[in-house]
Order: sequence, then C-alpha cells, then structure tokens
Amino acid sequence: AQTVTQSQPEMSVQEAETVTLSCTYDTSESDYYLFWYKQPPSRQMILVIRQEAYKQQNATENRFSVNFQKAAKSFSLKISDSQLGDAAMYFCAYRNNAGNMLTFGGGTRLMVKP
Amino acid sequence: DAGVIQSPRHEVTEMGQEVTLRCKPISGHDYLFWYRQTMMRGLELLIYFNNNVPIDDSGMPEDRFSAKMPNASFSTLKIQPSEPRDSAVYFCASSFLRGGFDTQYFGPGTRLTVL
Repeated sequence: AQTVTQSQPEMSVQEAETVTLSCTYDTSESDYYLFWYKQPPSRQMILVIRQEAYKQQNATENRFSVNFQKAAKSFSLKISDSQLGDAAMYFCAYRNNAGNMLTFGGGTRLMVKP
Repeated sequence: DAGVIQSPRHEVTEMGQEVTLRCKPISGHDYLFWYRQTMMRGLELLIYFNNNVPIDDSGMPEDRFSAKMPNASFSTLKIQPSEPRDSAVYFCASSFLRGGFDTQYFGPGTRLTVL
C-alpha cells in the first residue's frame, strides 16, 4: 500500500518570505499523480497544485511551485511571497494510475507571521 | 459552478440516533467520494462511486455505515446507530475522469458530533 509522509507537523514563515513544505511517499508504481491541498480554518479542502509523475517539469501555479524528485519519491511545495491568507493546513496526496483513491499525508500546519 | 454541496454543515446528535449526511456533486462529474477526517486518523477514504455504482467500500468502518447514490446528483452517507467515536468531519468530493486523470474537488464538509 502507498503511504504519504509529511514530516513537518508545523511550519512558520514571515509574510512575504518563502517557505517549503516537505512530502515523501512510498510506492512501487511508476505512473501516478501527486497533489497538494490546502485546508484553511473554514475546513474547505482546496486544490493548490498537482503533478503528473510522467512529467519531468515541475508544476507551477502563481506563487506555488513544487519540487518533484521522482527517484527520491519526494514532492515538496514551495510558497513564494507568503501571504496571511496562506495560513492553513496543507495536505500532500497520492493517487495511483489504476484507481481514483487519494492517499493523504498527515498534514502540515503553516503559520504566517505579519 | 456551485461546487460540491454538503448538508448539514454541522450535526449534533445523541448516541444511538440515526444520522444522514448529504452530498450534491459538481454537475457532470462521474466520481463521488466520501472521506472522514479525525485528529487520530487524518483523512481517510470511506467509499467511492463511479456513475452511481459503489466501486470500493473497503474504508467503511463497520456495518453501521452505509452510503447510497440514487442518481448522478445526490448521495447520502448514513450512520445507524451513531456512536461517540463517529464524531469527525465528513467530506464529500467529486471528480471527472478525463484522459485517465481526474482531480477531486471537495465540499465544505459536515462536522458531526455524537454525544
């Protein structure tokens, strides 16, 4: 079974600075998909960014980008120019190619200091 | 689009009572998922449907839990009888498979408290 590990329970960043959240996963598959979801205090799960494993280019969405290291099974999220609204729980998730089920990591709570 | 709609947003009930959570997926989506989120176990998939048919219910904790999807625009998750350990946030998500790939969009969740 696949597992997803987020080793940082909490992270803190100064407003306008850059922060990187870590995620590692374990799989024997070669083709899969990875996601970062944001969960603010409202509890809504919001898709931040996604990456297809067959793509070598790292995904980017405005201030959010990933560092996908397939050999190392690492999928970190970089948030540039952090804003107060970025404060939330962030979940890394894995989906294999055969099914539709997401496996989530335990989450990282990001605090943004003004 | 209105997004995934869940009701109620909050539910407080007493042990032994029946609880029904409701979900309306995004129009045109053909997959629907039910998740449970607790501090102890994090986010875990309970069951998912494809074209209204249950595909995998291996995450349903026990027979007290049941889920139905009578049509493409409505699903329910029922707990009968409810127990305090069922207290959690329950999320519904939907997706549309395109080119072998889909992205799940989540509803706002239902916070269930069983006293």
